[in-house]
Amino acid sequence: GAVVSQHPSWVICKSGTSVKIECRSLDFQATTMFWYRQFPKQSLMLMATSNEGSKATYEQGVEKDKFLINHASLTLSTLTVTSAHPEDSSFYICSAKTSGPYNEQFFGPGTRLTVL
Amino acid sequence: GQSLEQPSEVTAVEGAIVQINCTYQTSGFYGLSWYQQHDGGAPTFLSYNALDGLEETGRFSSFLSRSDSYGYLLLQELQMKDSASYFCAVSSSGGYNKLIFGAGTRLAVHP
Repeated sequence: GAVVSQHPSWVICKSGTSVKIECRSLDFQATTMFWYRQFPKQSLMLMATSNEGSKATYEQGVEKDKFLINHASLTLSTLTVTSAHPEDSSFYICSAKTSGPYNEQFFGPGTRLTVL
Repeated sequence: GQSLEQPSEVTAVEGAIVQINCTYQTSGFYGLSWYQQHDGGAPTFLSYNALDGLEETGRFSSFLSRSDSYGYLLLQELQMKDSASYFCAVSSSGGYNKLIFGAGTRLAVHP
């Protein structure tokens, strides 16, 4: 299967700082990448859909100015959590999808963010 | 709106068969996917049903009835390593086939 990486795998930061998370498709070109947030023992909540070369589409209730998404190339999307606060602490997971009708998404290993 | 319902927890013994049901309500529907997630890990794809019927992949099978807005994941010959959370997810209509996940079913397999 296709491989998606995320960096960093975990990060601890102080309240008020910004954190950037990278999502890369290693062996395929991802026309679309998705960003999810998952709180402990809960489901994956879709935050936004990212397409290469265009603005991300955010889900209802997700602040686009707080969660900045850039899909700079067909293999890289970044999520920046700006002015992070303790309530932003969560597991952030990206997924990548190739073009075509089949809907398999390949998930990255996730990034555990802890805001102190 | 969109919603999916699946049981929160299931317990079974090694070698048994378990069925995890999923009912959904969506404004548009392309298909139903199933994902497995171990604690602290990423979701991994198990199966996808776009049409009615049963899809079999080794020990795992998935079923879909579009008319009933219902599907299930069947796990056979359970092993301890199958202890994980299982999520159903609906591919909604729209430009990029985004996935909407259910709350997940936590499966515990005991010896």
